[in-house]
Amino acid sequence: DQQVKQNSPSLSVQEGRISILNCDYTNSMFDYFLWYKKYPAEGPTFLISISSIKDKNEDGRFTVFLNKSAKHLSLHIVPSQPGDSAVYFCAAIITGSARQLTFGSGTQLTVLP
Amino acid sequence: EAGVTQFPSHSVIEKGQTVTLRCDPISGHDNLYWYRRVMGKEIKFLLHFVKESKQDESGMPNNRFLAERTGGTYSTLKVQPAELEDSGVYFCASSPPPAGRHEQYFGPGTRLTVT
Repeated sequence: DQQVKQNSPSLSVQEGRISILNCDYTNSMFDYFLWYKKYPAEGPTFLISISSIKDKNEDGRFTVFLNKSAKHLSLHIVPSQPGDSAVYFCAAIITGSARQLTFGSGTQLTVLP
Repeated sequence: EAGVTQFPSHSVIEKGQTVTLRCDPISGHDNLYWYRRVMGKEIKFLLHFVKESKQDESGMPNNRFLAERTGGTYSTLKVQPAELEDSGVYFCASSPPPAGRHEQYFGPGTRLTVT
């Protein structure tokens, strides 16, 4: 039973436009969420995070939105650049107990020049 | 500051053989984690060390997997004997003591192929 789901395995966006990556979760105990970016043959790199007490967190071109009632979060990248092409993983954690990250299956983002 | 390092980057072994993966976390990071990604699916948790103690090993698939963290520094993950389904990319991650932030820093991974 996958507790964090990324239903879009791939997404293509034109350079300069907005990329929106989506993530859904089922476990209401998750209280902290992270996005990681992964290039081929490299490990995941932390991108941005959000606590469940917030509904938005912004860092430069990257913004994460959290809708707790819908158990849904999204990552917005504006404007998208070719260097953003990578696999993006959504992850969740229950901060009060075990500190393991629970990951989604990832979305391959391709930004077309 | 050096990141998380893993060795080897790639290992090809035959079914029934033994393989040992090594992870060196970021200096000062008490928390060390092992994860695995199989067949391009989600990255799954294996276990968590706090210093030299196993905090959580609920993700270890079976007793063919043995993880150690000598002196609370580097960690090894041994698979003995290896089976075909053990193939995948094994990631190590580390994080500092809790301070309100929860991101983990990942190494480049070891790609294990069991033939």
